[in-house]
Formats: sequence, structure tokens, C-alpha cells
Amino acid sequence: EAQVTQNPRYLITVTGKKLTVTCSQNMNHEYMSWYRQDPGLGLRQIYYSMNVEVTDKGDVPEGYKVSRKEKRNFPLILESPSPNQTSLYFCASSPGPNRPSYNEQFFGPGTRLTVL
Amino acid sequence: GNSVTQMEGPVTLSEEAFLTINCTYTATGYPSLFWYVQYPGEGLQLLLKATKADDKGSNKGFEATYRKETTSFHLEKGSVQVSDSAVYFCALSFVASGGSNYKLTFGKGTLLTVNP
Repeated sequence: EAQVTQNPRYLITVTGKKLTVTCSQNMNHEYMSWYRQDPGLGLRQIYYSMNVEVTDKGDVPEGYKVSRKEKRNFPLILESPSPNQTSLYFCASSPGPNRPSYNEQFFGPGTRLTVL
Repeated sequence: GNSVTQMEGPVTLSEEAFLTINCTYTATGYPSLFWYVQYPGEGLQLLLKATKADDKGSNKGFEATYRKETTSFHLEKGSVQVSDSAVYFCALSFVASGGSNYKLTFGKGTLLTVNP
């Protein structure tokens, strides 16, 4: 089954304790992205990646890091989480340039993060 | 910059009622337009899309027409079911196939509740 998976689905942590949210897709997509969803603000892009070793900032990158060492994985890293990073996080992937439906994004199930 | 405005919810309807969720956008040029649906506890799923003016996207009884003259992409369904209860997001993407970021710019979402 074609899908985007995220782990963990739920996480409660404390300020300053480094954490990683994993994202993996099995569709051989080139493009991957992270969004956060907050009440009243909708979804906002954090980082994106056009391919392996190619990443760039989205609209709200402060406090986050990403890496893309393999095509299928795109982990989101919070080196020193703070309470304002409490949110619902979604990973998404798209086929990528010059492919059918190149910009249709497939979303993971979400990770609900609480930082105390 | 680009932006999407959709009607605020929540919207509560009885089963078999007609649904309209309004969506308008601001963008320079002609973006691709999308409706995504988020069922409780799940990630976002693409519901339908349109890539150019006068295109009509349709899926599962839902329809939306890309209106360039009014910069709108209103979602409609003739007869809603209880299973349609979800949050609906209008979104745009404004990058050609060879571009570098397929970021989706989302509206804030509209919660639809359908009662039996």
C-alpha cells in the first residue's frame, strides 16, 4: 500500500530534550515536506526537500532541522524543543519534477507533539 | 504573497442537505487549486484538484470549479452523508513542474458536521 508513515504518533516531552520525528514514504517520491498545523493558523510549511541531500527552509523553520540522506526518509529534528513547538506535525511527499501529478501531496497521519 | 480564504465554520448540516464551502484565493498568476479533507484523527487526503481556469475537479460526489474571474474554487456536494463529517481545506500550489518547492498554501479549514 502506498503510504507516508510517521513515528511517533504522539509524543509528550520536556523543554530542551532533543527529539526526532521520523517520516518515510514508499512511493519513490522525490519531494518531501514538513508542515505544522495550529488552531486558527492552518498548516504552515517548515522545511522541504527536492531530493537526497537537497533541503531548504519553508515558512516557519526556526527551531527545526531536517536531513535527507535517503530518498524514502525525511526526519524532523528538534534540537531543543520549546513549548511554542507544541503542535500537530504532518509529513508529505510528492512525485517530483516532470512526473505525472508532480505536485499532488500525500500526507502522513500526523504526530501530535506536546512540549512541557 | 499567495493566500487562501475559506469560509469559517463550523458548518452543521442534516444528511442529504446541499453543501457549499466557499474558497477564494489571492495569487499572481494561475496556481493549481486543491481541496483536501481531514477525517478525525487522520492525515490530509486529496479530495480533488484543478490545474487551470474552468477546470472542474470531482471526486466522491464533491465538485469544485476553478473560476479565474472570481478567483474562487468553491466546494459543493449535492447530498451530504454522515461519513462526510470532516475538516475541509482549500489550498493552492504555485510552482511549475520544474520548480523547487511544491508548497501548499492552505486556508484555515472548515469543520463540517453532518447529522443523521
